[in-house]
Amino acid sequence: KAGVTQTPRYLIKTRGQQVTLSCSPISGHRSVSWYQQTPGQGLQFLFEYFSETQRNKGNFPGRFSGRQFSNSRSEMNVSTLELGDSALYLCASSLGQGRITDTQYFGPGTRLTVL
Amino acid sequence: KQEVTQIPAALSVPEGENLVLNCSFTDSAIYNLQWFRQDPGKGLTSLLLIQSSQREQTSGRLNASLDKSSGRSTLYIAASQPGDSATYLCASSSGAGSYQLTFGKGTKLSVIP
Repeated sequence: KAGVTQTPRYLIKTRGQQVTLSCSPISGHRSVSWYQQTPGQGLQFLFEYFSETQRNKGNFPGRFSGRQFSNSRSEMNVSTLELGDSALYLCASSLGQGRITDTQYFGPGTRLTVL
Repeated sequence: KQEVTQIPAALSVPEGENLVLNCSFTDSAIYNLQWFRQDPGKGLTSLLLIQSSQREQTSGRLNASLDKSSGRSTLYIAASQPGDSATYLCASSSGAGSYQLTFGKGTKLSVIP
């Protein structure tokens, strides 16, 4: 089975711009979660989608948004970019059935640099 | 609010040594606990998942334990190899149906040949 894929792998943007990141989960997985990783804060949860619905949201400003499509692919969008948004954005997929053994599988990430 | 701490932040050991990585969490009402490995600039690889009702899980040279009462988990790596060099992260899941993981900041392991 193919793993979780994220595109693009690298992005350079300037302050004030907006960006869209894409995540394709493992085939058959219906849950997609997004995380932001920075050297200072570590990995922080952004949001989780299941069957096109946001099930859970972390403590991030409204500039961060996401969506999920009927094929379980997900996108996240960051508007009005700030320098502090520079980070590795990781996507994780899982079956989404709420089982205690439901492991999350992570993609390689998108490295976003805001200048 | 769950907080996960990993100590030490970095660890350097000679090849062949057995080692233990530590993870502590403040809220014992966890659903499961996972250990991940992250190589530089890359995503996370799941190593072991321990259910809240379990005490330990094993995979090859790796053994993870969970003690909910003390709020601790350990990852034991036997006979370390240079290829084990990476950052190891533990993460707790808060409940059924919630896929929000709370991560520690990781322990960066260097295995010296």
